[in-house]
Amino acid sequence: SYVLTQPPSVSVAPGQTARITCGGNNIGSKSVHWYQQKPGQAPVLVVYDDSDRPSGIPERFSGSNSGNTATLTISRVEAGDEADYYCQVWDSSSDHNYVFGTGTKVTVL
Amino acid sequence: EVQLVESGGGLVKPGGSLRLSCAASGFTFSSYSMNWVRQAPGKGLEWVSSISSSSSYIYYADSVKGRFTISRDNAKNSLYLQMNSLRAEDTAVYYCAREPQGTRALDYWGQGTLVTVSS
Repeated sequence: SYVLTQPPSVSVAPGQTARITCGGNNIGSKSVHWYQQKPGQAPVLVVYDDSDRPSGIPERFSGSNSGNTATLTISRVEAGDEADYYCQVWDSSSDHNYVFGTGTKVTVL
Repeated sequence: EVQLVESGGGLVKPGGSLRLSCAASGFTFSSYSMNWVRQAPGKGLEWVSSISSSSSYIYYADSVKGRFTISRDNAKNSLYLQMNSLRAEDTAVYYCAREPQGTRALDYWGQGTLVTVSS
């Protein structure tokens, strides 16, 4: 089955840039989506199709995808960005057609 | 405003059954695929099942195949998940989520309903 690997945690100071990676075999050939989940809340889609943002998501959130790594970048980090972030792809060859990454906890120092 | 409201969760004994519902509003329900995603306490997200707009295509995760059944009623703007032969490892918050056609992304999620399987 297809596996997406994320770092368990990323720490960043306010105003700096956070980069969250999502590793998968030839992930660059797939569309990657990113979700933000704050404690006790449902996930929110923040980036879809590698680099597009849903309406209402700040431009500070951006994404890229190439080779074996996709990246979510949060610029000018704010305290309110502290959350868990998950990447996700659809893999037709996988038992779990919709595959989520292991999740990354972003801590704002 | 898009709204997804889950209901039907609760405490059930191992081997028991439960039916979850998801009431949709604020969009044309019949035009979207829908999904169930779960999250065990303190764990990550796990996709459970998906159903296309007209119920023509249905998929399940291996972990629930043969035990769970997804369905929808477009006239009632509702999504369902019938869960049978429940196990302790099915304990989780269950979310329903909307999927725009062809995107494979989940753009709106409900607040979730907690299912606890315990004796």
